[in-house]
Order: sequence, then C-alpha cells, then structure tokens
Amino acid sequence: DVQLLESGGGLLPSGGSLRLSCAASGFSFSSHAINWVRQAPGEGLEWVSAISSDSVYKFYADSVKGRFTISRDNSKNTLYLQMNSLRAEDTAVYYCATVKGDTSGWYYRDWGQGTLVTVSS
Amino acid sequence: DIQMTQSPSSLSASVGDRVTIACRASQSIRSYLNWYQQKPGKVPQLLIYAASSLQSGVPSRFSGSGSGTDFTLTISSLQPEDFATYYCQESYRTSSTTFGQGTRLEIK
Repeated sequence: DVQLLESGGGLLPSGGSLRLSCAASGFSFSSHAINWVRQAPGEGLEWVSAISSDSVYKFYADSVKGRFTISRDNSKNTLYLQMNSLRAEDTAVYYCATVKGDTSGWYYRDWGQGTLVTVSS
Repeated sequence: DIQMTQSPSSLSASVGDRVTIACRASQSIRSYLNWYQQKPGKVPQLLIYAASSLQSGVPSRFSGSGSGTDFTLTISSLQPEDFATYYCQESYRTSSTTFGQGTRLEIK
C-alpha cells in the first residue's frame, strides 16, 4: 500500500523557519512527481509547490515563492519543504500528494495525513 | 492563473436526492478537471479524474461531466456517507494547479 507520512510541523513565531518532510513507501517514489498542498483551518485546498521525479523542475505558488524551497531525496524516498520567513497566513495543514495520470490528465491519487504548521503573529 | 469557481458554496439535501455541483474555469481546460471529496478531519479523496473517469473503488452513483470551462459532479442518490465537502481541481498544466473553493454538502 502507498504510504505518505508528513512530519516537521509545529508552532513557531512569525519570521521563523521550518522544514517539513514527507516519507514515502509502497510505490516507486523516484518515478513520480509529488506536490505540497495546504489547507488553512476551516478553509479550502491551496496548491503550494511541485517537484518533478528527477528534481529538474520545481514550481511554487506566488504566495510562497522566494520563501519556500521544495526538494527530494530519491535515495531516501523523502520529499522536503523548507519554509522560511513564515507568516501567520502560512498557518495550515500541509499535505504531500503524489501526482498520477497519463495523457488524459494528472491528479492527486494518494495523500499523506498532513502536518499542522501554526505561525503565531 | 486559472480561476476555478464552484457553485453552490453550500447545499442542503436529503438522503436519496440527486445532487449536482458545478465548477467553472476562467479559461478552457479541455477535460483536465478532477473532483475530490473531503470529510471533516480527513484527507481529500479522489472521486473523478479527467472530467468523467471514475476513480477505482468510488461508487457508481458519482459521475462527472463537462469540458472546456463548465463541469458538473452529480451524485445520483445521496447516501449518508456522502455528506462532505467537494472540491474541483484543474490540471491543465503541470507547473501549477488551482482548486475550487469547495462545496459543502449538508444534511437537510
């Protein structure tokens, strides 16, 4: 079974830094793009960042560009999100999600349970 | 960026009802449209991908349709476990994606 396990969340002050991890198992991690998606308390889903299977391509939402860095270590089957200059509006549950699909389109089939990041102002 | 607008934002319905949720894209996204269900405190679950393809294991009472800018998710006969929040998501590009704001489906 596919498993995605996020960790690294916590409570920290505005301006702080945090690194999230997403440990993957049960599938060929190095063959799939993987994304970070977040959800503020009581709010909807917001795409944060994406990384290709080989780390060549990295993309960011405008709201985090210049502050967050996505990376992966295929030898450890782990995805990371380095979050700097955190703001109160970054408070959310952060999910990692695998990208699956074909020529008909891509989608998120597998999601982790999420890790909560709380930034106090 | 592509904007996704769902309607309604919330909906009250009864078990057995037929329910339709709409999703509109700000530009044509062909059939690159997915639907997810999220229950309180739970992780989003894929229901429909590529506008109308049912994800394996999802009950056949769920269906999706549309192309271009206008899409719908239909639940043919609501079951108690279907009360949740539903999100559409465009996957027109691999460099970014946008979700609709969500439709909360509540028990009448």
